[in-house]
Order: sequence, then C-alpha cells, then structure tokens
Amino acid sequence: EADIYQTPRYLVIGTGKKITLECSQTMGHDKMYWYQQDPGMELHLIHYSYGVNSTEKGDLSSESTVSRIRTEHFPLTLESARPSHTSQYLCASSEYSGGEDTQYFGPGTRLTVL
Amino acid sequence: AQSVTQPDIHITVSEGASLELRCNYSYGATPYLFWYVQSPGQGLQLLLKYFSGDTLVQGIKGFEAEFKRSQSSFNLRKPSVHWSDAAEYFCAVAPFGNEKLTFGTGTRLTIIP
Repeated sequence: EADIYQTPRYLVIGTGKKITLECSQTMGHDKMYWYQQDPGMELHLIHYSYGVNSTEKGDLSSESTVSRIRTEHFPLTLESARPSHTSQYLCASSEYSGGEDTQYFGPGTRLTVL
Repeated sequence: AQSVTQPDIHITVSEGASLELRCNYSYGATPYLFWYVQSPGQGLQLLLKYFSGDTLVQGIKGFEAEFKRSQSSFNLRKPSVHWSDAAEYFCAVAPFGNEKLTFGTGTRLTIIP
C-alpha cells in the first residue's frame, strides 16, 4: 500500500491569502491526483498528473493550480483564497502494474477560508 | 461517461448484524470497480477492487463484494459488523484501461449496540 502524506491536515486562513497544500508519496508512483470533497458529498477530480512536468485539469473546474517537478511531490496552490474554496482536499497516487491501476489516498487537508 | 449510484444515503445496523451496501454503475463495458471507506476527518482507505476474473472479491476487514454484470451492480457485504465499521463508504468506477475514478455520493453507516 502507498504511503501518501498531506500537510497541513487542517488550515484556517483569511480571504485573499495565497496557500499551498503539500502532497508527497514515497512509492515512486507516476500518477498523482487531487480531489475536492465537500462535507457529505462525493469526491471530484480537480487535477491529475501522469508524471514529472505533466499536469491536467480534472472534471471539476477549480481555480487552483498544481505543479509536478519531482515524481514524489504534487503541491496544489491557491493564489487568492476565497470562502468558496472551503472544502476538504484529498491527494492520491497510483501506478499501472499487472493489469491493475489502483489509487491510494492521503489523509486529506481540511481548508477553511474565512 | 460513466456514473455511479449509491441509493442509500444513510444505513443503521446493529452490531453483529449483516450488512449490504448497494452500488450501481452506468458504463458501456466492464469497468474497474472499487470500494473505499472513509472515517471522519480521514482520507480514503481501499477496501477491495475488481478488475477481472472471479466476480466475488474479498477485501480487508472481512468485507466482500460481488460484481453482477446483468444488474450493473457491485454491492458490498459483511456478515457481521463491528462498531469500528461505522464510517462513510464510497463506491467508485473507472473505465476499462483508464485510471480516472468516478465516485458515488457515499453511504454513511451507523452501528448501534
């Protein structure tokens, strides 16, 4: 099972601040993902990456941006946080192997923008 | 595009009783199917997955799921629930050969003594 770490776990911040949510994995997986999850709701894919220097937007439009400079690191940035960005953000990684591609998730970052 | 339906928003079960959580999917071919569990304030933990082969899949924590192509279903079962099973359960589907997951809205499981 993959080891995926997200920091911070909880963040309360004021409107207009720039924030970066960190995600790191130690399994060497090529693919990484960011999901947004509102309370009691399903997860929506907002960004994904197939490898270094690869980033794509997901199914749900998001004002956040991502980068993938290193295989193990996939940070998400909000240039100017707004209350509408309040949500839980989950990072995942996966690698295709033996006909299977399974995503493993980090613990999440719960963001509150005041 | 694929979609996932979890008809039960909230289920309450007595400790020791059996459990079945329903999941139906919509997709033109056989997809990859997953069940994840999420405890409050936590990320998602993989319970089990189906890619091909035996349609009855065994997972962790005593859970199993059965893929029924004719019913487009992938229901999760456990013969005897424990208080620690209280959590949110998500069914997810990915198209064959594609890693992008589509999640259902989840089923919240409450366990009563």
